[in-house]
Amino acid sequence: QQQVKQSPQSLIVQKGGISIINCAYENTAFDYFPWYQQFPGKGPALLIAIRPDVSEKKEGRFTISFNKSAKQFSLHIMDSQPGDSATYFCAAPKYTNAGKSTFGDGTTLTVKP
Amino acid sequence: KAGVTQTPRYLIKTRGQQVTLSCSPISGHRSVSWYQQTPGQGLQFLFEYFSETQRNKGNFPGRFSGRQFSNSRSEMNVSTLELGDSALYLCASSKGLGRETQYFGPGTRLLVL
Repeated sequence: QQQVKQSPQSLIVQKGGISIINCAYENTAFDYFPWYQQFPGKGPALLIAIRPDVSEKKEGRFTISFNKSAKQFSLHIMDSQPGDSATYFCAAPKYTNAGKSTFGDGTTLTVKP
Repeated sequence: KAGVTQTPRYLIKTRGQQVTLSCSPISGHRSVSWYQQTPGQGLQFLFEYFSETQRNKGNFPGRFSGRQFSNSRSEMNVSTLELGDSALYLCASSKGLGRETQYFGPGTRLLVL
């Protein structure tokens, strides 16, 4: 059962452009929404996370936008750089169980120089 | 502080064999989760251990099992290997069971021939 749907599957952006990745969730019990970044040969690493009591969170060039009514959240990468080329996963762990996370299928981002 | 370590990093087995993978969490972390990552299925939750007890389990057959030791180190075992078990197996640790950041290891890449 797919509880977190992520799109697009792949994304190609020119250097300096904006990368946007979207996730939609089904379970309203989810209350913590992290994004992970994974480089080839590495495990996923937490990039940025948001809780549903705020609509936006920004850390450097990375911003999460959250729409609770639509049950959607998105990752925006401003001024995308070739070093941002990686696979990005959204996730939705339950409050009482951070270990049991439902991940989106991932978005492979390629930033062209 | 050392990160999550997983051994071995690469493994080749044949169908019908069994395999044991090891994970050492970050010092002080008591929760260890295991995930299977494949190109077609993305990141799938296997199980989570906390204080030597399995707290949650994903939708995997009984051939997949795990355990956690008193020092929080964890092992997962896959018996009677099938070709479809070829994947990257990721371990993630966190301090507890709450809404906390998970830190992933580099994974063990298993190839079943």
